Amino acid sequence: NAGVTQTPKFQVLKTGQSMTLQCAQDMNHEYMSWYRQDPGMGLRLIHYSVGAGITDQGEVPNGYNVSRSTTEDFPLRLLSAAPSQTSVYFCASSGTGGSGYTFGSGTRLTVV
Amino acid sequence: DAKTTQPNSMESNEEEPVHLPCNHSTISGTDYIHWYRQLPSQGPEYVIHGLTSNVNNRMASLAIAEDRKSSTLILHRATLRDAAVYYCILRDWANAGKSTFGDGTTLTVKP
Repeated sequence: NAGVTQTPKFQVLKTGQSMTLQCAQDMNHEYMSWYRQDPGMGLRLIHYSVGAGITDQGEVPNGYNVSRSTTEDFPLRLLSAAPSQTSVYFCASSGTGGSGYTFGSGTRLTVV
Repeated sequence: DAKTTQPNSMESNEEEPVHLPCNHSTISGTDYIHWYRQLPSQGPEYVIHGLTSNVNNRMASLAIAEDRKSSTLILHRATLRDAAVYYCILRDWANAGKSTFGDGTTLTVKP
């Protein structure tokens, strides 16, 4: 059971570059979310999806895009990286509305 | 979104029970109460969740107040490996995609 797989684990970007953080789950979960976690802080919701073809904004969506073309994959795109986007990014998935989330191991992103 | 309030930090002695409180006074009837923990340099890990009744699993117990405005995560015998940040969140099953986390409680376990 792979669970939730995030790639890459580490990434350094220059200001203005774009990139895509990958997230894949093999549990046939409907719900997927992206969170960011700044040092010493809690998690903040960026975008989420309740099924293939359906996405919505979370608390801090600016500077990020998502799409959900399949149940398994939920990539997060940084359009033009800024130092303020330096953070650890976590992807999570879950089944029905009352069930618990499974989190990936995170992507540590540094923007210089 | 309904919010939760947790103490910033708590301490416990090893092998003693730990009671981690969470207030959620604006909880709605469709909100599940979830608990997660995050070990250093790892992603959050699901611990337990419940709706109205107390719940037990191999990791912990969840005690929910009768009015559901507060809950307590109970670790029956704390170990050093339980030192982590514990998050209490509400998950509305009617709007289940959007779950927000607060800053959690940092639990320190002393040997």
